[in-house]
Amino acid sequence: GQQVMQIPQYQHVQEGEDFTTYCNSSTTLSNIQWYKQRPGGHPVFLIQLVKSGEVKKQKRLTFQFGEAKKNSSLHITATQTTDVGTYFCAGGSVGGGADGLTFGKGTHLIIQP
Amino acid sequence: SAVISQKPSRDICQRGTSLTIQCQVDSQVTMMFWYRQQPGQSLTLIATANQGSEATYESGFVIDKFPISRPNLTFSTLTVSNMSPEDSSIYLCSVETRATNEKLFFGSGTQLSVL
Repeated sequence: GQQVMQIPQYQHVQEGEDFTTYCNSSTTLSNIQWYKQRPGGHPVFLIQLVKSGEVKKQKRLTFQFGEAKKNSSLHITATQTTDVGTYFCAGGSVGGGADGLTFGKGTHLIIQP
Repeated sequence: SAVISQKPSRDICQRGTSLTIQCQVDSQVTMMFWYRQQPGQSLTLIATANQGSEATYESGFVIDKFPISRPNLTFSTLTVSNMSPEDSSIYLCSVETRATNEKLFFGSGTQLSVL
Protein backbone atom coordinates (compact mmCIF):
# COMPACT_ATOMS: atom_id res chain seq x y z
CA GLY A 1 0.00 0.00 0.00
CA GLN A 2 0.88 3.64 -0.20
CA GLN A 3 3.46 4.84 2.29
CA VAL A 4 4.27 8.42 3.16
CA MET A 5 7.56 9.09 4.87
CA GLN A 6 8.13 12.36 6.66
CA ILE A 7 11.39 13.69 8.06
CA PRO A 8 12.69 14.83 10.40
CA GLN A 9 10.62 13.46 13.27
CA TYR A 10 11.74 16.26 15.57
CA GLN A 11 13.31 19.64 14.82
CA HIS A 12 14.65 22.03 17.42
CA VAL A 13 15.29 25.57 16.19
CA GLN A 14 16.06 28.91 17.74
CA GLU A 15 13.34 31.48 17.28
CA GLY A 16 14.03 33.31 14.04
CA GLU A 17 15.69 30.36 12.33
CA ASP A 18 14.18 28.65 9.33
CA PHE A 19 12.51 25.22 9.39
CA THR A 20 11.84 22.64 6.72
CA THR A 21 10.00 19.32 6.79
CA TYR A 22 10.02 16.83 3.93
CA CYS A 23 7.52 14.29 2.78
CA ASN A 24 8.13 11.39 0.37
CA SER A 25 5.66 8.93 -1.06
CA SER A 26 6.28 5.46 -2.43
CA THR A 27 3.70 6.10 -5.16
CA THR A 28 2.55 9.01 -7.31
CA LEU A 29 0.05 11.15 -5.47
CA SER A 30 -3.08 12.86 -6.69
CA ASN A 31 -2.52 15.65 -4.20
CA ILE A 32 -0.62 16.45 -1.03
CA GLN A 33 -2.07 18.22 1.96
CA TRP A 34 -0.45 19.76 4.99
CA TYR A 35 -1.92 20.00 8.46
CA LYS A 36 -0.73 21.64 11.66
CA GLN A 37 -1.50 20.33 15.12
CA ARG A 38 -0.75 22.54 18.09
CA PRO A 39 0.12 20.83 21.37
CA GLY A 40 -3.11 19.53 22.88
CA GLY A 41 -5.07 20.49 19.79
CA HIS A 42 -6.45 18.80 16.72
CA PRO A 43 -5.06 18.83 13.17
CA VAL A 44 -5.93 21.92 11.19
CA PHE A 45 -5.81 22.01 7.41
CA LEU A 46 -3.17 24.35 5.99
CA ILE A 47 -3.03 23.78 2.26
CA GLN A 48 -3.55 21.38 -0.64
CA LEU A 49 -1.21 21.03 -3.61
CA VAL A 50 -2.45 19.33 -6.74
CA LYS A 51 -0.24 20.23 -9.68
CA SER A 52 3.20 18.89 -10.49
CA GLY A 53 5.85 21.38 -9.41
CA GLU A 54 3.32 23.57 -7.64
CA VAL A 55 4.53 26.13 -5.11
CA LYS A 56 2.22 27.98 -2.75
CA LYS A 57 2.96 30.53 -0.08
CA GLN A 58 1.13 31.54 3.05
CA LYS A 59 2.98 34.43 4.67
CA ARG A 60 6.16 32.82 6.05
CA LEU A 61 5.18 29.31 4.92
CA THR A 62 6.19 27.94 1.52
CA PHE A 63 4.81 24.65 0.25
CA GLN A 64 6.21 22.72 -2.71
CA PHE A 65 4.99 19.68 -4.63
CA GLY A 66 7.60 17.77 -6.59
CA GLU A 67 7.62 17.39 -10.36
CA ALA A 68 6.93 13.68 -10.06
CA LYS A 69 4.17 14.28 -7.51
CA LYS A 70 5.88 11.96 -5.04
CA ASN A 71 7.44 14.44 -2.66
CA SER A 72 6.67 17.69 -0.95
CA SER A 73 8.16 20.14 1.48
CA LEU A 74 7.03 22.80 3.91
CA HIS A 75 9.44 25.60 4.69
CA ILE A 76 8.92 28.19 7.40
CA THR A 77 11.02 31.34 7.28
CA ALA A 78 12.04 33.06 10.50
CA THR A 79 10.13 30.84 12.92
CA GLN A 80 8.06 32.34 15.71
CA THR A 81 6.83 30.73 18.92
CA THR A 82 3.36 30.51 17.38
CA ASP A 83 4.76 28.02 14.85
CA VAL A 84 5.24 25.40 17.56
CA GLY A 85 3.40 22.16 16.85
CA THR A 86 3.42 19.06 14.71
CA TYR A 87 3.22 19.37 10.95
CA PHE A 88 1.72 16.46 9.06
CA CYS A 89 1.69 15.83 5.36
CA ALA A 90 -1.07 13.67 3.91
CA GLY A 91 -0.87 12.14 0.48
CA GLY A 92 -3.91 11.43 -1.63
CA SER A 93 -3.97 8.30 -3.77
CA VAL A 94 -4.86 8.54 -7.43
CA GLY A 95 -8.57 7.83 -7.76
CA GLY A 96 -9.11 7.93 -4.03
CA GLY A 97 -11.05 10.39 -1.93
CA ALA A 98 -10.38 11.63 1.56
CA ASP A 99 -10.50 8.03 2.77
CA GLY A 100 -7.46 7.45 0.56
CA LEU A 101 -5.33 9.99 2.42
CA THR A 102 -2.20 8.61 4.03
CA PHE A 103 -0.68 10.69 6.77
CA GLY A 104 3.01 10.98 7.43
CA LYS A 105 4.27 10.53 10.98
CA GLY A 106 4.64 14.27 11.41
CA THR A 107 7.48 16.61 12.28
CA HIS A 108 7.43 18.04 15.78
CA LEU A 109 8.72 21.61 15.68
CA ILE A 110 10.19 22.82 18.95
CA ILE A 111 11.24 26.45 19.15
CA GLN A 112 13.67 27.77 21.71
CA PRO A 113 13.26 31.46 22.47
CA SER B 1 -15.45 24.98 6.47
CA ALA B 2 -17.47 22.87 8.88
CA VAL B 3 -17.87 23.24 12.64
CA ILE B 4 -17.53 19.90 14.38
CA SER B 5 -18.63 19.20 17.92
CA GLN B 6 -17.14 16.07 19.43
CA LYS B 7 -17.84 14.72 22.88
CA PRO B 8 -16.76 13.71 25.37
CA SER B 9 -13.48 15.59 25.18
CA ARG B 10 -11.87 13.12 27.52
CA ASP B 11 -12.75 10.12 29.63
CA ILE B 12 -11.13 7.62 31.94
CA CYS B 13 -12.64 4.17 31.67
CA GLN B 14 -12.29 0.80 33.27
CA ARG B 15 -11.06 -2.22 31.38
CA GLY B 16 -13.87 -4.22 29.80
CA THR B 17 -16.33 -1.33 29.51
CA SER B 18 -17.42 0.55 26.36
CA LEU B 19 -17.43 4.23 25.46
CA THR B 20 -19.46 5.94 22.78
CA ILE B 21 -18.06 9.09 21.20
CA GLN B 22 -20.38 11.49 19.39
CA CYS B 23 -19.63 13.75 16.46
CA GLN B 24 -22.06 16.46 15.37
CA VAL B 25 -21.44 18.69 12.34
CA ASP B 26 -23.17 22.00 11.73
CA SER B 27 -23.84 21.27 8.06
CA GLN B 28 -24.41 18.31 5.79
CA VAL B 29 -21.14 16.68 4.81
CA THR B 30 -20.31 14.10 2.20
CA MET B 31 -17.88 12.00 4.19
CA MET B 32 -17.30 11.38 7.87
CA PHE B 33 -14.29 9.53 9.20
CA TRP B 34 -12.97 8.28 12.50
CA TYR B 35 -9.23 8.44 13.22
CA ARG B 36 -7.07 7.26 16.09
CA GLN B 37 -3.97 9.11 17.20
CA GLN B 38 -1.72 7.62 19.84
CA PRO B 39 0.33 10.08 21.90
CA GLY B 40 2.92 11.82 19.77
CA GLN B 41 2.05 9.67 16.77
CA SER B 42 0.42 10.06 13.40
CA LEU B 43 -3.23 9.68 12.44
CA THR B 44 -4.59 6.26 11.60
CA LEU B 45 -7.91 5.91 9.84
CA ILE B 46 -10.25 3.54 11.65
CA ALA B 47 -13.21 3.67 9.31
CA THR B 48 -15.41 5.71 7.03
CA ALA B 49 -18.86 6.27 8.48
CA ASN B 50 -21.45 5.72 5.75
CA GLN B 51 -24.87 7.26 6.04
CA GLY B 52 -27.54 4.60 6.19
CA SER B 53 -25.20 1.64 5.77
CA GLU B 54 -22.39 -0.19 7.50
CA ALA B 55 -19.13 1.63 7.99
CA THR B 56 -16.10 0.77 5.88
CA TYR B 57 -13.26 -0.37 8.11
CA GLU B 58 -9.55 -0.16 7.46
CA SER B 59 -7.23 -3.09 7.87
CA GLY B 60 -6.76 -3.92 11.53
CA PHE B 61 -10.08 -2.49 12.69
CA VAL B 62 -13.29 -4.50 13.02
CA ILE B 63 -16.92 -3.68 13.57
CA ASP B 64 -17.25 -5.72 16.75
CA LYS B 65 -14.55 -3.65 18.42
CA PHE B 66 -15.41 -0.25 16.89
CA PRO B 67 -19.10 -0.16 15.96
CA ILE B 68 -19.99 3.03 14.12
CA SER B 69 -23.33 4.61 13.39
CA ARG B 70 -24.25 7.41 11.01
CA PRO B 71 -28.00 7.88 11.04
CA ASN B 72 -27.94 11.10 9.02
CA LEU B 73 -25.60 13.45 7.15
CA THR B 74 -24.56 15.47 10.19
CA PHE B 75 -24.09 12.96 13.02
CA SER B 76 -21.98 9.89 13.77
CA THR B 77 -20.93 7.83 16.75
CA LEU B 78 -17.94 5.61 17.38
CA THR B 79 -18.05 3.04 20.18
CA VAL B 80 -14.87 1.59 21.61
CA SER B 81 -15.99 -1.78 22.95
CA ASN B 82 -14.59 -4.04 25.63
CA MET B 83 -11.76 -1.63 26.25
CA SER B 84 -8.24 -2.53 27.26
CA PRO B 85 -5.31 -0.23 28.13
CA GLU B 86 -4.09 -0.60 24.53
CA ASP B 87 -7.15 1.39 23.44
CA SER B 88 -5.89 4.45 25.30
CA SER B 89 -5.56 7.05 22.57
CA ILE B 90 -7.08 10.15 21.06
CA TYR B 91 -10.05 9.49 18.80
CA LEU B 92 -10.83 12.11 16.19
CA CYS B 93 -13.87 12.65 14.05
CA SER B 94 -13.21 14.28 10.71
CA VAL B 95 -15.34 15.37 7.79
CA GLU B 96 -15.00 16.18 4.14
CA THR B 97 -17.53 18.42 2.45
CA ARG B 98 -18.42 18.57 -1.19
CA ALA B 99 -16.91 22.02 -1.36
CA THR B 100 -13.61 21.08 0.21
CA ASN B 101 -12.56 18.33 -2.18
CA GLU B 102 -10.71 15.79 -0.02
CA LYS B 103 -9.62 18.34 2.57
CA LEU B 104 -10.40 17.25 6.09
CA PHE B 105 -11.77 19.15 9.05
CA PHE B 106 -11.24 17.58 12.44
CA GLY B 107 -13.19 17.62 15.66
CA SER B 108 -11.37 18.52 18.85
CA GLY B 109 -10.85 14.86 19.71
CA THR B 110 -11.63 12.53 22.59
CA GLN B 111 -8.75 11.63 24.84
CA LEU B 112 -9.43 8.16 26.18
CA SER B 113 -7.53 6.55 29.04
CA VAL B 114 -8.28 2.94 29.95
CA LEU B 115 -7.20 1.68 33.34
